[in-house]
Amino acid sequence: DTAVSQTPKYLVTQMGNDKSIKCEQNLGHDTMYWYKQDSKKFLKIMFSYNNKELIINETVPNRFSPKSPDKAHLNLHINSLELGDSAVYFCASSQAIGAFAEAFFGQGTRLTVV
Amino acid sequence: KQEVTQIPAALSVPEGENLVLNCSFTDSAIYNLQWFRQDPGKGLTSLLLIQSSQREQTSGRLNASLDKSSGRSTLYIAASQPGDSATYLCAVRADSNYQLIWGAGTKLIIKP
Repeated sequence: DTAVSQTPKYLVTQMGNDKSIKCEQNLGHDTMYWYKQDSKKFLKIMFSYNNKELIINETVPNRFSPKSPDKAHLNLHINSLELGDSAVYFCASSQAIGAFAEAFFGQGTRLTVV
Repeated sequence: KQEVTQIPAALSVPEGENLVLNCSFTDSAIYNLQWFRQDPGKGLTSLLLIQSSQREQTSGRLNASLDKSSGRSTLYIAASQPGDSATYLCAVRADSNYQLIWGAGTKLIIKP
């Protein structure tokens, strides 16, 4: 069983479209995250979310929004896609937020905006 | 502001050698440090987690150390194998928020 799963694995879409990436974790974790990995392979946090608090990286455009229907899911919605949004997006989860918080990652979604 | 640096950016060694990957961070106020590997086109696999109160963790041929006061961690790989070829990333969990701050990774190639 996959612990953290993302769909789709690949997404090719045109500029201006709205798209969503889904993420589900079956680990019973309280906190979920979205990370963006750019062309230089550098990972940056976009959002972290548990059932109490959403923390947004202030550099993330408001065209990006996380939606959590329940504790096991954190979907990423992107409006008005731009060429610069092309990247690999990773979902992750962890049980806690302190010293014991080991993060587990999905396989990534490669988004290409044309 | 926490910054994480990994040296070297790339490393190529013959099979069987022992090797060390380095990770440094600027702010010692961390909850933990985690080492990952990323295979081309694949996701991130967690290798080792070291809590801020710990000095090392071991898993098989991997040993990770943490010196919080000096802001350094090393990942030691013993008896390297071609299957160890991947990009190795370290990330620290800052104690000011929930987030992982990442290094840029070390691309490791083990030559048969």
